[in-house]
Amino acid sequence: EAGVTQFPSHSVIEKGQTVTLRCDPISGHDNLYWYRRVMGKEIKFLLHFVKESKQDESGMPNNRFLAERTGGTYSTLKVQPAELEDSGVYFCASSQADRTEETQYFGPGTRLLVL
Amino acid sequence: GENVEQHPSTLSVQEGDSAVIKCTYSDSASNYFPWYKQELGKRPQLIIDIRSNVGEKKDQRIAVTLNKTAKHFSLHITETQPEDSAVYFCAASKGGSSNTGKLIFGQGTTLQVKP
Repeated sequence: EAGVTQFPSHSVIEKGQTVTLRCDPISGHDNLYWYRRVMGKEIKFLLHFVKESKQDESGMPNNRFLAERTGGTYSTLKVQPAELEDSGVYFCASSQADRTEETQYFGPGTRLLVL
Repeated sequence: GENVEQHPSTLSVQEGDSAVIKCTYSDSASNYFPWYKQELGKRPQLIIDIRSNVGEKKDQRIAVTLNKTAKHFSLHITETQPEDSAVYFCAASKGGSSNTGKLIFGQGTTLQVKP
């Protein structure tokens, strides 16, 4: 079974530019989560999709962040315009839909550096 | 708000010794507590989890204990080996159909096992 994949693995951009991160969850997983780890701190929740619907976006920092999951398969997270404090590792995780406490499987993360 | 505190931030032990990492959570409605291990440059991987109806769970050299009254849970690793060296994250979430299952993470513990 293929795991959660994320693209790109690394991204270096300048302040003010736009970056789009992609996550492909495990096939059949309706739950998709985005998390972020900044500067060696804790991993923080950003938002949660159930299929194509946003179930909880309480962790999104501000309106510069836009997440989509068209068709309920892969998801994208766009940062526009990027700021220095957006640097960090962005993780995606997926889980099955039958129980919300089901194991979340993480992707390898996208390391974003904003200069 | 929801918060998970994790201690210690770093832990160094000799090979063969035991290691204990402790976490406390703030939301008494939390009922699912996973532990993730993240090796350098790799994705976080679930190593063990516990649900609120269980006080202790073991899996070979790893065990987790949960004290719901005190709102804390701990990870115990016995007979540590160099390959146990990694960053360990505890997390808490609220299951059930009315909750999203988002994970609230602790700050992480960097475990170093010296050969």
